[in-house]
Amino acid sequence: DAKTTQPPSMDCAEGRAANLPCNHSTISGNEYVYWYRQIHSQGPQYIIHGLKNNETNEMASLIITEDRKSSTLILPHATLRDTAVYYCIVRVVGNNRKLIWGLGTSLAVNP
Amino acid sequence: NAGVMQNPRHLVRRRGQEARLRCSPMKGHSHVYWYRQLPEEGLKFMVYLQKENIIDESGMPKERFSAEFPKEGPSILRIQQVVRGDSAAYFCASSPGQGIGYEQYFGPGTRLTVT
Repeated sequence: DAKTTQPPSMDCAEGRAANLPCNHSTISGNEYVYWYRQIHSQGPQYIIHGLKNNETNEMASLIITEDRKSSTLILPHATLRDTAVYYCIVRVVGNNRKLIWGLGTSLAVNP
Repeated sequence: NAGVMQNPRHLVRRRGQEARLRCSPMKGHSHVYWYRQLPEEGLKFMVYLQKENIIDESGMPKERFSAEFPKEGPSILRIQQVVRGDSAAYFCASSPGQGIGYEQYFGPGTRLTVT
């Protein structure tokens, strides 16, 4: 079973920041937080990952709380093309290589 | 550098037939993962392979399903005697390794419909 909890759906206005929360209260010290997204009918796309520090790349920012029990993915200026299902995944890197997926958050970016 | 390729993109089979799904990983990637996605659900891990070896098949149904990743050629997911419940999208992902920094990159998927 997935070790994360996400709201099933969210809305965001185009051009505004989209903040997608994720709870992972049982996360272990050697587990990373990964974010993927799946645009309708396409294969999932890797976005970002982090352990305990905040991370930023060209797609998004990842904010992880100090106790690591929750995180937020931030899309700074959402566009219509960001409409997708966003998955937050906790992953142990090493022996457990597979990704365990929940139901994700369906983000609708509205014009 | 071409991405992960899967074919066919759509496959229709009648109950009892065999389905063969192919996955060509990205160049330089020797690790392949197969996932299945039922309608309105998240992805479910099926199997993880390296060249010529099955590393983790804990998500594979015990019967009718098999996977291989030969030394040459694509990875194959084979479903024998398909049933309606096998209708789903099957995604393949590849990575160059298994540690941090070696992310999984996904193909476009094969949508299997069993009639």
